[in-house]
Amino acid sequence: SYELTQSPSVSVSPGQTARITCSGDILPKQYAYWYQQKPGQAPVLLIYQDNKRPSGIPERFSGSSSGTTATLTISGLQAEDEADYYCQSTDYSGFDVLFGGGTKLTVL
Amino acid sequence: EVHLVQSGTEIKKSGESLKISCKTSGYSFTTYWIGWVRQMPGKGLEWMGIIYPGDSDTRYSPSFQGQVTISADKSSTTAHLQWSSLKASDTAIYYCARVIDTSMMRYFDSWGQGTLVTVSS
Repeated sequence: SYELTQSPSVSVSPGQTARITCSGDILPKQYAYWYQQKPGQAPVLLIYQDNKRPSGIPERFSGSSSGTTATLTISGLQAEDEADYYCQSTDYSGFDVLFGGGTKLTVL
Repeated sequence: EVHLVQSGTEIKKSGESLKISCKTSGYSFTTYWIGWVRQMPGKGLEWMGIIYPGDSDTRYSPSFQGQVTISADKSSTTAHLQWSSLKASDTAIYYCARVIDTSMMRYFDSWGQGTLVTVSS
């Protein structure tokens, strides 16, 4: 079965750029999606189809995917960006949903 | 505007049954899949399954097949997740979410606020 792997944690200073990666053998074949989850809140869709932003998501959030790695980039980091970030994709059939283990972003 | 509003916190005992709900509004209930996602205390997101309310076609994650039942009521535009016999390991927050599903994509674009289920042994 396929898996998505994320680093458990990332720490970045305010104003800097955070890059959160998601690795998986399925990523060359399927799109990556990204969610932000702040403490005590439901997840929010940040990026879909590798690099598209839903309406209302700031331009500071961007996504890319190359080979077996998808990357979420957050530029101009703000204290409010401190949260858990999850990548998601689907298996080869497109039926089953896969989540990465999540990355905790700390804004120093 | 799309809204998914879930039922409230549940405190149950092992062996009891439970059905939680996800009331939707703001879109055509029968033309979008709805999914359920589990988040155990301090842990990540786990996909449980999805249902297409238009015809009740249901797909379960292998990890949850046979453990839960997902259903949908078109008359009330509400999706449900139920257990016949809870275990302490079912303690978690459960989220419903609308699914965007095409031939190449499946992801969750709107989420409910979550339902906390606590099961004591």
